[in-house]
Amino acid sequence: GEDVEQSLFLSVREGDSSVINCTYTDSSSTYLYWYKQEPGAGLQLLTYIFSNMDMKQDQRLTVLLNKKDKHLSLRIADTQTGDSAIYFCAERGNNYGQNFVFGPGTRLSVLP
Amino acid sequence: AAGVIQSPRHLIKEKRETATLKCYPIPRHDTVYWYQQGPGQDPQFLISFYEKMQSDKGSIPDRFSAQQFSDYHSELNMSSLELGDSALYFCASAGGGGLDTGANVLTFGAGSRLTVL
Repeated sequence: GEDVEQSLFLSVREGDSSVINCTYTDSSSTYLYWYKQEPGAGLQLLTYIFSNMDMKQDQRLTVLLNKKDKHLSLRIADTQTGDSAIYFCAERGNNYGQNFVFGPGTRLSVLP
Repeated sequence: AAGVIQSPRHLIKEKRETATLKCYPIPRHDTVYWYQQGPGQDPQFLISFYEKMQSDKGSIPDRFSAQQFSDYHSELNMSSLELGDSALYFCASAGGGGLDTGANVLTFGAGSRLTVL
């Protein structure tokens, strides 16, 4: 079945860049997503990328996709304490109503 | 902008009781998803609906059922509650655009926290 893997923890210093990595197994994945979850809150969509793209940039966020290796990364430039949260990678195919499969989440801690 | 509305936000039940969670998707969204997130876990897909029909099914126990109504809101019914059902239940909606836009972006509600005692 489909599987999405992420490292569970990442610590960075404020002002540094954070890179959160994700690998997935479903070669038919059409869309790949990054969601952010703060404690006790819902999941907030940060950005997403289509499988025919290899990079997407949105302000401090850069998403890189290596479709051959099924590897997705999220780079956060100039990481701030407010970026401390759990970051979930997710993937899905191209059909309406099709399930989104989430990774286990990476807990990002930003140290002052 | 309108978001996904879930109710109730918090619910406390005892074992073997029944609970119903409600979800009101973003207007013009035609797809609703239900996820269960246990403490320290990633969201686990339960079930989804597209245009009021079940479209995909995940790890939803037989004790749970769900449906999407004509106004696109959805309800998750949970019976014979067990301690392990204690979790955050998220509803998410998608749709309202072509394949390149809203149809493929999930917007989550704030979640309903169910505690089973």
